[in-house]
Amino acid sequence: DAKTTQPPSMDCAEGRAANLPCNHSTISGNEYVYWYRQIHSQGPQYIIHGLKNNETNEMASLIITEDRKSSTLILPHATLRDTAVYYCIAPTGANNLFFGTGTRLTVIP
Amino acid sequence: GAVVSQHPSWVICKSGTSVKIECRSLDFQATTMFWYRQFPKQSLMLMATSNEGSKATYEQGVEKDKFLINHASLTLSTLTVTSAHPEDSSFYICSASPGQGQQFFGPGTRLTVL
Repeated sequence: DAKTTQPPSMDCAEGRAANLPCNHSTISGNEYVYWYRQIHSQGPQYIIHGLKNNETNEMASLIITEDRKSSTLILPHATLRDTAVYYCIAPTGANNLFFGTGTRLTVIP
Repeated sequence: GAVVSQHPSWVICKSGTSVKIECRSLDFQATTMFWYRQFPKQSLMLMATSNEGSKATYEQGVEKDKFLINHASLTLSTLTVTSAHPEDSSFYICSASPGQGQQFFGPGTRLTVL
């Protein structure tokens, strides 16, 4: 996996957009960027993934810089249920996902 | 869609006994399933990767004779913790992959060994 770097923690006010950054400066041309989150005592949940273009789904948007060295996950209207640890992962080849320390997002009422 | 279940969700056992955890993909066929464990306040660590009908590939430091993995069908993988000891107490999570890159995770099984 390409090494990814995320801030250890972030706070976000309920109802506001949560922007979670990720640096992946060593990512290679064919490596996707995946985002998962893990709510306390549950299994990780897939959020979104992308290669070059920005992506959007019902959960979030993913903005990838043109040089692909960083990306931002955007939760447009954060709710208390979005409090979780968010993992940015760039797996290579064999589907193995390396979960680093992630970003602990706390949504504040 | 893409639901993965695990059973049991929690288990308490005595030291020296064996525990089997099941992982099922409910609405898709999973050519590959993965087993992770997570100790308190730590991130998930991959234990092994299993492909249907073949032997599992274990990560370095994971004892294959202690953590037996069977992937008998495209929707079922089992992890058996043999002769469990208190240090094996952890949160065990499986995931299933229908294809390139994406993995869907089960809800996890909390194992406590007394």
